[in-house]
Amino acid sequence: AQKITQTQPGMFVQEKEAVTLDCTYDTSDPSYGLFWYKQPSSGEMIFLIYQGSYDQQNATEGRYSLNFQKARKSANLVISASQLGDSAMYFCAMRESSGAGSYQLTFGKGTKLSVIP
Amino acid sequence: DAGVTQSPTHLIKTRGQQVTLRCSPKSGHDTVSWYQQALGQGPQFIFQYYEEEERQRGNFPDRFSGHQFPNYSSELNVNALLLGDSALYLCASSVRDRGTGGELFFGEGSRLTVL
Repeated sequence: AQKITQTQPGMFVQEKEAVTLDCTYDTSDPSYGLFWYKQPSSGEMIFLIYQGSYDQQNATEGRYSLNFQKARKSANLVISASQLGDSAMYFCAMRESSGAGSYQLTFGKGTKLSVIP
Repeated sequence: DAGVTQSPTHLIKTRGQQVTLRCSPKSGHDTVSWYQQALGQGPQFIFQYYEEEERQRGNFPDRFSGHQFPNYSSELNVNALLLGDSALYLCASSVRDRGTGGELFFGEGSRLTVL
């Protein structure tokens, strides 16, 4: 089974509107972290937002917020007031704890967001 | 403060050749991870280095090997290249023992094309 599922290969949003990018995850580890990264055409993965499994409140970072529904195992990214520069690939990722003390990220397949003027 | 730097940015090899990719982590970071991102896919974890040792490895064959130097920089080596090794190779640095919330900083990647 896939650990991270992003069901939207592509999304369109009008400039200045809000958009939600979906992400569901699968883990049996009680301690994990969820991340969203933005990847423009340059290739660099840009960190957007983080949510820990024990965090009581949804994470927010400027125009980005994470709608964390633990029971549903979903971690959707909400971008408010979309800008043309938001056009990019967006990846949801999960980091699980391990006894070895090292942590790898497992990524979804990504959602391509296009902002329309 | 320089972020994660990778070299080369682009390279073309032929099947059977060997390639070495290089990564300098962000200042203050001691852990380097390598990821392979095939076209249209999310990155996949190759391995992670800390204290000059491979600490964790993903599902990649032994043709993929690495090294970490005392200054924390790292190399990824791929032997006997296959067409399927064509991908963007991303290096990420972090500080170990920050738990599941420790942020990874990525470089812009090295785009490898195997002909």
